[in-house]
Amino acid sequence: ETGVTQSPTHLIKTRGQQVTLRCSSQSGHNTVSWYQQALGQGPQFIFQYYREEENGRGNFPPRFSGLQFPNYSSELNVNALELDDSALYLCASSLEGGPIYGYTFGSGTRLTVV
Amino acid sequence: SQQGEEDPQALSIQEGENATMNCSYKTSINNLQWYRQNSGRGLVHLILIRSNEREKHSGRLRVTLDTSKKSSSLLITASRAADTASYFCATDDGNFNKFYFGSGTKLNVKP
Repeated sequence: ETGVTQSPTHLIKTRGQQVTLRCSSQSGHNTVSWYQQALGQGPQFIFQYYREEENGRGNFPPRFSGLQFPNYSSELNVNALELDDSALYLCASSLEGGPIYGYTFGSGTRLTVV
Repeated sequence: SQQGEEDPQALSIQEGENATMNCSYKTSINNLQWYRQNSGRGLVHLILIRSNEREKHSGRLRVTLDTSKKSSSLLITASRAADTASYFCATDDGNFNKFYFGSGTKLNVKP
């Protein structure tokens, strides 16, 4: 296995609700990035956290927020869910300073918004 | 957008043949990476090539990078049915805190 675990694996939510997705990074990886992958598309960068602070963000609205904790775990929170938020959400961890050596991805959380 | 774009979108070959897929990007990069994804699961890092490198090998994989043309290619030699997957290139925007993926090449290797 990759060493990055995500939970839950699948989730169904109703439009307007809030959701929290969780990721446990590979030990020693203090950089974590979150991606959204719609069906048939490539992953889209949401944001990156380094040493518990956001240090990069893609074109996602503020209702997408995150947290990173000292134990290498992190969360992605999405408020006011919309149907278009249905996607595979991927967490990727990397060594200090960013993905210079490549990301280690989790298997993702499949979110369905109905 | 800095997103890499893979070409072709889909590729179907027989086992044992070589598979070549290409990636183009728009702005200067520090490095370019290739990833594989099986059936909508997590991506697996295959190979990284730095902007000052022109070619890199890893097992049956060969990656080239042409920074003057802002393009890269991934060659899989002697393909196997287990190579069936989607392949993505990822490029940074000159910083190390954002990586961009293209829409991928869907490779089907027929046994």
